Amino acid sequence: SQTIHQWPATLVQPVGSPLSLECTVEGTSNPNLYWYRQAAGRGLQLLFYSVGIGQISSEVPQNLSASRPQDRQFILSSKKLLLSDSGFYLCAWSSRGGFNQPQHFGDGTRLSIL
Amino acid sequence: AQKVTQAQTEISVVEKEDVTLDCVYETRDTTYYLFWYKQPPSGELVFLIRRNSFDEQNEISGRYSWNFQKSTSSFNFTITASQVVDSAVYFCALSDQLSTTSGTYKYIFGTGTRLKVLA
Repeated sequence: SQTIHQWPATLVQPVGSPLSLECTVEGTSNPNLYWYRQAAGRGLQLLFYSVGIGQISSEVPQNLSASRPQDRQFILSSKKLLLSDSGFYLCAWSSRGGFNQPQHFGDGTRLSIL
Repeated sequence: AQKVTQAQTEISVVEKEDVTLDCVYETRDTTYYLFWYKQPPSGELVFLIRRNSFDEQNEISGRYSWNFQKSTSSFNFTITASQVVDSAVYFCALSDQLSTTSGTYKYIFGTGTRLKVLA
């Protein structure tokens, strides 16, 4: 069966520090991968998606970047965190095959910026 | 514009009551999918159901049921005989095409409805 792992679960970082969140998927090949952010009390906003190694698309301009160095690895990064980067970050994967494929989410990373 | 509205921010019910969570959507697409997810206090999103735009049959899964009405652009979710374990935030989502080349889609999420089931 497929599983998705995200770490760390919780992170507290000072403003201006770098960030690296990692997500890996097991049990499937060539998945579509996604990073979402959930601000406190709000819905989920898609940040990045990837359809293959090295292929990253950004949905919103922001202080963050994403990379996909391997087929089942998706990394969210920042060189200098801002207070507004605080939130709950969720990684997700879906099978290829179109828009009927549900997205499956990791457990999330709660990021607090001080 | 693609949009999902969950007008109920928070609902509180007493255990064993039935509760309906509303979802209204807007889409330019003729073919689309709708989804419901559950987010328990631990934070992860759990997939509950998928429904395509051509299938307006209601669906029942145990205590859960879904009412899809294309005429009113609604996809409502009912929990029968609610339990404390049903307490969570519930999200409705609509598929939205990202790329015709790769066939990639994203979800447009509603802002969620927090359900509190009291013992």
